[in-house]
Amino acid sequence: DAGVIQSPRHEVTEMGQEVTLRCKPISGHDYLFWYRQTMMRGLELLIYFNNNVPIDDSGMPEDRFSAKMPNASFSTLKIQPSEPRDSAVYFCASSYHGGNTEAFFGQGTRLTVV
Amino acid sequence: SQELEQSPQSLIVQEGKNLTINCTSSKTLYGLYWYKQKYGEGLIFLMMLQKGGEEKSHEKITAKLDEKKQQSSLHITASQPSHAGIYLCGADRSPPGLVFGAGTILRVKS
Repeated sequence: DAGVIQSPRHEVTEMGQEVTLRCKPISGHDYLFWYRQTMMRGLELLIYFNNNVPIDDSGMPEDRFSAKMPNASFSTLKIQPSEPRDSAVYFCASSYHGGNTEAFFGQGTRLTVV
Repeated sequence: SQELEQSPQSLIVQEGKNLTINCTSSKTLYGLYWYKQKYGEGLIFLMMLQKGGEEKSHEKITAKLDEKKQQSSLHITASQPSHAGIYLCGADRSPPGLVFGAGTILRVKS
């Protein structure tokens, strides 16, 4: 398996624009997590899915953020409208179970909002 | 909510020297994970510890979870330039997902 695949690797966008980040988890994994990493706050969990269903989105910072998982092999994180403070590295991770097991991380998407 | 504190924040060591990174939790740890991150890249899983007193090793890296399960240490023996990066400890939370420490930046001088 190629691991967790995220796209794009880098995204630069203007404030107010819509941004969509994409993730393909490892086949067979039933949990998918979206994290955000910033210098100020470190790595934070935004939302996670179990069997394609969003379970806990309490980490999503604002209503401008939304995430979907239409099938077991694809998830998106959308920011609309984007703001400069959304600039960060966004990671997607997947695992067989929710806990007590290794989570595999993608390479991340570095988002810059100017 | 659970918090993880890592120390030191950064570390510069001479190649060949040993080093230790600590991770202290405000709550009992039920699953403690160590990851390594290179700048601009994703997280690479190193080890997972679950039981108090547990110790695991991989190549020159050893991780321990103390008996009280509120602290873990990561020890690197005879450091090499390839060990440089950011080391992150993470803890299982309920509901699922990991809580991470702020990370320890390791630089190894040749």
